[in-house]
Amino acid sequence: AIRMTQSPSSFSASTGDRVNITCRASQGISVYLAWYQQKPGKAPKLLISAASTLQSGVPSRFSGSGSGTDFTLTINCLQSEDFATYFCHQYYTYPWTFGQGTKVETK
Amino acid sequence: EVQLLESGGALVQPGGSLRLSCVASGFTLNTYAMSWVRQAPGKGLEWVSGISGRGGNTYYADSVKGRIIISRDDSKSTLYLQMNSLRAEDTAVYYCAKSVGSTSSVAIDFWGQGTLVTVSS
Repeated sequence: AIRMTQSPSSFSASTGDRVNITCRASQGISVYLAWYQQKPGKAPKLLISAASTLQSGVPSRFSGSGSGTDFTLTINCLQSEDFATYFCHQYYTYPWTFGQGTKVETK
Repeated sequence: EVQLLESGGALVQPGGSLRLSCVASGFTLNTYAMSWVRQAPGKGLEWVSGISGRGGNTYYADSVKGRIIISRDDSKSTLYLQMNSLRAEDTAVYYCAKSVGSTSSVAIDFWGQGTLVTVSS
């Protein structure tokens, strides 16, 4: 199975900060990479698919980049509602796999 | 409006069985790939099983292969997950999830609210 490694696992940030979360695949997955946001007690929400395509309704402060094995989720000007856990997900091949998650906490 | 409503989660003893259901509305079930994804308490997401749109090819994680069967009833617009020989490590919230398209090479774009399965004696 393809292993997805996110970094960091957690960190503290302030509103207005620029945040970068990275995801590395153990083998090339082209751009078959999605990013999800999850808040406590809620289902995940799709933010970005195909590595860089913003989902309809998602604020433009979210962006994604990368291809092959290295990917980045960037949040520009962090807002209070962005404090959550973020997961990357490869759908290049079964079994699908997820990163372990990155928790963004308030500083 | 797309909706996914899971049910069937319960407390079950190790070795027991359970069938989860997911009623889909707002779209035609058999034109989209569907998945079950689980999340153990305080842990990350784990893909469990998937079924393609047309054709209904099925796929399983190694951790559940041989113990779990995914299926769907298009007439009832319902996705199922039959779980057998349950273990403590199967304890999790199980999410029903819809993909963007009918094949495996598309992201999940919508999740249900989940149903809790607890395996304990």
